[in-house]
Amino acid sequence: QVQLVQSGAEVKKPGSSVKVSCKASGDSFNTYTFTWVRQAPGQGLEWMGTIIPMFNNANYAQRFQDRVTLTADKSTNTAYLELISLRSEDTAMYYCAQKIFGGWFDPWGQGTLVTVSS
Amino acid sequence: DIVLTQSPATLSVSPGERATLSCRASQSIRSNLAWYQQKPGQAPRLLIYGASTRETGIPARFSGSGSGTEFTLTISSLQSEDFAVYYCQKYDNGPPYIFGQGTKLEIK
Repeated sequence: QVQLVQSGAEVKKPGSSVKVSCKASGDSFNTYTFTWVRQAPGQGLEWMGTIIPMFNNANYAQRFQDRVTLTADKSTNTAYLELISLRSEDTAMYYCAQKIFGGWFDPWGQGTLVTVSS
Repeated sequence: DIVLTQSPATLSVSPGERATLSCRASQSIRSNLAWYQQKPGQAPRLLIYGASTRETGIPARFSGSGSGTEFTLTISSLQSEDFAVYYCQKYDNGPPYIFGQGTKLEIK
């Protein structure tokens, strides 16, 4: 089964941007679909977007549409989430996960904590 | 968008007893529902997909049921490691992929 390893914690200033990576093991990167989910401190899970590297096609949650970009680098088996115009409310744990064809998410990366603070 | 409402928000149950968690969808999602378990400091873990199919390696004490708008996750004979937060997620008709707000299962 694929394993997902995310980049380390980040501390950012309001108004800046952050780029989180998610490296996948295995030889079938082109068949993977990556989804990103965030979790604010003490809160629930929130889907942000999903990308299919094979088609370079991404879907975004409406509330993040203007600030999130999902990309994938097939040469390094790595998916990326970039979030711009950061504000304090973006402080959260960001998870990548493999979206199985049917639509559920498994496995998950270990999470990347992004802290936005002046 | 479809809304998933989980109840109760917090459930207190004694070890060895049964826990029943509910997830209600604002409109039919057929059987396109998954359940996840999340322990403190950990990423979520897939338990159930297709409303009732256990993921490989998930103990048989976890079972899912329901279709349409009403879904249930049942954990028979609770073990200490089962106390966690549980989320349902819908994937009917693709994105957006909506999660319920979670049910915290705590030791009574």
